Order: sequence, then structure tokens, then C-alpha cells
Amino acid sequence: QVQLQQSGPGLVKPSQTLSLTCAISGDSVSSNIVAWNWIRQSPSRGLEWLGRTYYLLSEWYNDYAPSVRGRIMINPDTSENQFSLQLSSVTPEDTAIYYCARWVHGTTVTPGYFQDWGLGTLVTVSS
Amino acid sequence: DIQMTQSPSSLSASVGDRVTIPCRASQSISSHLTWYQQKPGKAPKLLIYAASTLQRGVPSRFSGSGSGTDFTLTISSLQSEDFATYFCQQSYSTPHTFGGGTKVEIK
Repeated sequence: QVQLQQSGPGLVKPSQTLSLTCAISGDSVSSNIVAWNWIRQSPSRGLEWLGRTYYLLSEWYNDYAPSVRGRIMINPDTSENQFSLQLSSVTPEDTAIYYCARWVHGTTVTPGYFQDWGLGTLVTVSS
Repeated sequence: DIQMTQSPSSLSASVGDRVTIPCRASQSISSHLTWYQQKPGKAPKLLIYAASTLQRGVPSRFSGSGSGTDFTLTISSLQSEDFATYFCQQSYSTPHTFGGGTKVEIK
């Protein structure tokens, strides 16, 4: 059974960088059949996919949502079997519950889906 | 980006009712549609993927249908533990996008 344990501060000042970590148990960050994602949820924006990192054919890849591209980095840490989110230049609009989630890749017949989620971290952007 | 629309945003129902929750995509997404259930203070939980495939461990009273742009989540006989918010999400292309959710409330 896969478990995702999130950690990181719940309060970040405007213009600073939001940093969260998601520790994985029951799977490997280097697995070829999954992707590791960050998703956030707020009353104003609903559920919003931010981006992902995944390992395929001996290379690491990232995809990011256009809404945060240029401010976001998602990095794997193979030594600790975890991955991280960094979101820079935050504003109060970045206040949300942040989730890490495991995406199971689809096949030629079945599309992929978010199978496992962390518990969520409420991050407030305020001075 | 593909827009996912869920309307109504809430509905009232009683235990034992048959409930249908619609979801519409702004363009065809084939069967690349996933349903999640979320209860207050909890993360979303996977219910159905590929529009109609029930995730292991999810009760059989849940079912999904549709393809292209129009999809439906059906709860055949609503139970007390089913009062929650339900989200659809497209996996056809990135950015993966979610509907705004339909909250099922007690009548």
C-alpha cells in the first residue's frame, strides 16, 4: 500500500518561496509506471494540477501547468525516496491546501489516474 | 486547456435515492475521465477511472458512464457515508483539469 507523507511550513511570506516535500512509502520515486504530482485546492480556484515529475527510460521529466510555469520546480530525491515542490514569488492567491499525489500511467487501452494522495498541507501566504 | 463543468454544484437527496451527477468536457476526451469523492478535511479518493472502471474496493453502487464530452456518475442507492463532494477530472491532456465539484447533501 502506497503512503505519501507531506511536510513543510504552513505559513509563507509574500514574494518568498513555498517549499513542500512528499515522502513515499510502498513505491519508488524512480518507478517507470507512475508520476509524482502536486495539486492544490482553494475555494477560488478549486482543484488545480500544478505539475509532475516522472522517470522514464533512464531520464527524468517534468511537466508544469501554464498557470505556474516559470515559478515552479518539482524535483525527485532518489536518496530519500521523496519529491519536492518549490513555488517562488508567492502571493496571497497561492494560499491553498497543497496535495502530493501518485499518478498511475495509462496504457494504450486505459487512461491514467491519481490513485494515491497525501493528506494535504494548508499553506497560507501572509506577512 | 480542457474545461470541465459540473452542474449543479450541489444537490439534496435522501438515503436510498438514486443519484446522478453529470460532468461535461469542453472538447472530446474519449473515455479519459476519472471520478473522485472528497469528504470535509480529507484528500480526494479515487472512485472510477477510464469513465466506467470501478477502483478496487469501491462499492458497486457507484458506476460511471459516458464518452466524448458527456459523463455521468451514478449512485444506485445513496448511503449515509456517500454524502460528500464529487469531482470529475480529465486525463486526456495536460494540464489535467478538474470540475468544480457537486456536493451531495442530505435532504
